[in-house]
Amino acid sequence: AQSVAQPEDQVNVAEGNPLTVKCTYSVSGNPYLFWYVQYPNRGLQFLLKYITGDNLVKGSYGFEAEFNKSQTSFHLKKPSALVSDSALYFCAVRDMNSNYQLIWGAGTKLIIKP
Amino acid sequence: KAGVTQTPRYLIKTRGQQVTLSCSPISGHRSVSWYQQTPGQGLQFLFEYFSETQRNKGNFPGRFSGRQFSNSRSEMNVSTLELGDSALYLCASSLIEFTGELFFGEGSRLTVL
Repeated sequence: AQSVAQPEDQVNVAEGNPLTVKCTYSVSGNPYLFWYVQYPNRGLQFLLKYITGDNLVKGSYGFEAEFNKSQTSFHLKKPSALVSDSALYFCAVRDMNSNYQLIWGAGTKLIIKP
Repeated sequence: KAGVTQTPRYLIKTRGQQVTLSCSPISGHRSVSWYQQTPGQGLQFLFEYFSETQRNKGNFPGRFSGRQFSNSRSEMNVSTLELGDSALYLCASSLIEFTGELFFGEGSRLTVL
């Protein structure tokens, strides 16, 4: 069955340090992978996507993500965290060989401490 | 360009009532999808519409229904409300269907008493 896992409910990082938010997926075909961010009491905002090509994709606000096919992972990264990065982050995958439904992870709360 | 607009932003209903939520997508966007967000269940997919046709449906009971109009605006309806329907209902639009690059509204927060 198609699924997305975000193994950490919460990630704590000190400001200025690098951050990683993990995501692994399981789909039957080729995945389209996405990261979204949700600030309190707001809707979700698109950060970045992987469709094909270079395994390292760059997105908004200095975020990037690395697609690893062998490990079926798509971890979100940022070299230097800002307090304003504190938010809820969602990973999503669309199986383009199946019913095209977008499957979402449970979300990871990122807390950046000054 | 105006973003995705959802109305109402907040509403309180009682068990057994029904509710209709509205979503106006970004101009030119023809695909609209709906999600239910709760602290315990996360983001749950409800429906996806493109050019007035339902393209995908999540695992929700028949009390949840939706539709899309010719101007791409969409509505979802929940009948016979239950306490468990209390949630943030998010609408998202995209230019084409089956893309993951969605633009979300700020949601309609439904409280069922």
